[in-house]
Amino acid sequence: EPEVTQTPSHQVTQMGQEVILRCVPISNHLYFYWYRQILGQKVEFLVSFYNNEISEKSEIFDDQFSVERPDGSNFTLKIRSTKLEDSAMYFCASSPTYNEQFFGPGTRLTVL
Amino acid sequence: QKEVEQNSGPLSVPEGAIASLNCTYSDRGSQSFFWYRQYSGKSPELIMSIYSNGDKEDGRFTAQLNKASQYVSLLIRDSQPSDSATYLCAVRALQGNEKLTFGTGTRLTIIP
Repeated sequence: EPEVTQTPSHQVTQMGQEVILRCVPISNHLYFYWYRQILGQKVEFLVSFYNNEISEKSEIFDDQFSVERPDGSNFTLKIRSTKLEDSAMYFCASSPTYNEQFFGPGTRLTVL
Repeated sequence: QKEVEQNSGPLSVPEGAIASLNCTYSDRGSQSFFWYRQYSGKSPELIMSIYSNGDKEDGRFTAQLNKASQYVSLLIRDSQPSDSATYLCAVRALQGNEKLTFGTGTRLTIIP
């Protein structure tokens, strides 16, 4: 069964550094998402992406964040200058429509 | 602030019994409702979606939706130890609004 994949599984970075989290959505899906989950807290929406542009973003998704679909398969989330409070699990999800969303295994980001 | 509320638990259910998980939501315009299962340290896994009032059954799982009461529930019949996880309720609001809003989840423990 097709799955969303994410790399790396764990990323450790220093505060102020840039990180890029990578995702390969399910191949025939059209809608792509990033969510995050701070340890012990709820899953929070960051951004949705459709037809090569951002379709919706949350207040968390400020100028430090950007997303890109650089080719036909990858979907990336960049954090330009990481903060301690960016430490979280970051989940990529994809959907064939805008209903059921299927999540990848996540990238644990640790900012020191 | 559009909220999704769940009892955080833990909810303990004997093996073989029915587990009942509940969720309420504040946005009356919500259109789509999802139940995800999340094992500790893992990503959310979609187990049920429901879009119209009434019951929807899939194997041992039944989702129930009552839009007038802004209430959605998940029943797990013949509970197994492998059902022990955190169950997340997620809601999508208006048509064209793609993000999922998650509750904090209910931790379910099945007692052998």
